[in-house]
Amino acid sequence: EAGVAQSPRYKIIEKRQSVAFWCNPISGHATLYWYQQILGQGPKLLIQFQNNGVVDDSQLPKDRFSAERLKGVDSTLKIQPAKLEDSAVYLCASSLAPGQAYEQYFGPGTRLTVT
Amino acid sequence: AQSVTQPDIHITVSEGASLELRCNYSYGATPYLFWYVQSPGQGLQLLLKYFSGDTLVQGIKGFEAEFKRSQSSFNLRKPSVHWSDAAEYFCAVGPGMDSNYQLIWGAGTKLIIKP
Repeated sequence: EAGVAQSPRYKIIEKRQSVAFWCNPISGHATLYWYQQILGQGPKLLIQFQNNGVVDDSQLPKDRFSAERLKGVDSTLKIQPAKLEDSAVYLCASSLAPGQAYEQYFGPGTRLTVT
Repeated sequence: AQSVTQPDIHITVSEGASLELRCNYSYGATPYLFWYVQSPGQGLQLLLKYFSGDTLVQGIKGFEAEFKRSQSSFNLRKPSVHWSDAAEYFCAVGPGMDSNYQLIWGAGTKLIIKP
């Protein structure tokens, strides 16, 4: 079974530029999560999708971050414009469905450096 | 408020020695409990989980964890560590349906193995 795929693995941009990350969850997984992980900290949930609907985006900085999951499969997370404090690893995870498996499977992450 | 505490930021252990990583949580009821491991440059991998039943849980890579309700703890143990266990370990708590099955994460404990 293929795992969660993410691209790119690394990205370096200047502040005020825009960037997009892509995630393809495990086939059949209805729930998709985007996390931000700053060095030395645990993951922070940015947004949770159930199929193509948003379950929770309360911690997503909506003035600069956006995310979509068209057709309920893969997802993109965008930052525009980027700030220095956005430097972090962006992790995508998926789970079968809330309450059924409750296990989240993670991709390798995208390491973003904003200079 | 629900929270997860991993009191040790770093732990150094000699190869072959035993290991215990601490995790305490704050939640009114018994939550779902997880330990994840993150190797350098990698995403998070589930080591083990506790939902109910036997309070001693076996996981992958020779790890085990014990749920102690009276202490609100879910400590991770391994009888003999290997150099490949060097990584960061995260404890996570899942309150369940009340939280959209989201996970609350500890800040992580970095395990350093001495040769």
